[in-house]
Amino acid sequence: GAGVSQSPRYKVAKRGQDVALRCDPISGHVSLFWYQQALGQGPEFLTYFQNEAQLDKSGLPSDRFFAERPEGSVSTLKIQRTQQEDSAVYLCASSVGRGQETQYFGPGTRLLVL
Amino acid sequence: GQNIDQPTEMTATEGAIVQINCTYQTSGFNGLFWYQQHAGEAPTFLSYNVLDGLEEKGRFSSFLSRSKGYSYLLLKELQMKDSASYLCAVGTDDYKLSFGAGTTVTVRA
Repeated sequence: GAGVSQSPRYKVAKRGQDVALRCDPISGHVSLFWYQQALGQGPEFLTYFQNEAQLDKSGLPSDRFFAERPEGSVSTLKIQRTQQEDSAVYLCASSVGRGQETQYFGPGTRLLVL
Repeated sequence: GQNIDQPTEMTATEGAIVQINCTYQTSGFNGLFWYQQHAGEAPTFLSYNVLDGLEEKGRFSSFLSRSKGYSYLLLKELQMKDSASYLCAVGTDDYKLSFGAGTTVTVRA
């Protein structure tokens, strides 16, 4: 596609619910990243995929967070038993290759946990 | 940990120049990026510096001094549409970006 797309754009969940956030990267991009952005802050790294391999999940805040990219294109970030502190914007980004390159971001999913 | 500092807010007049400073102390360095983010939208790439010096791209320029751990983004001939948050990000290893908190620039008529 023309850019990175994410769905849903907005998600309201009750505390304790599970949510799934989808990212469609730019076609052919090898690398995919998930970031969490709190209000008034910069994005914080969550996890990194190179094709279907999850090479780094050091930023995931707890074992309630799980990400996958089974076929090396679309990725899903799943949050189990959501808590209020999970409320944030979740950004997905992709880049062409494997190294330190320009990352292209999607518009994000704004998650509100009540 | 990574420490990336930039001012929280700046205000300038349409047609003026604004310089956004960014200082960093990171465990690794593999380039410095600037992104623009309008409220509720995706961050969009503006510039990349990996060597010392000034990179100019139209109305936007970015400068890097690796020895000082310092960068700035210069916005010239400000337009109302330049009102946005500007994010400084450091590539700290082979792929990861560490971001500052962002500088909100408000352009007044």
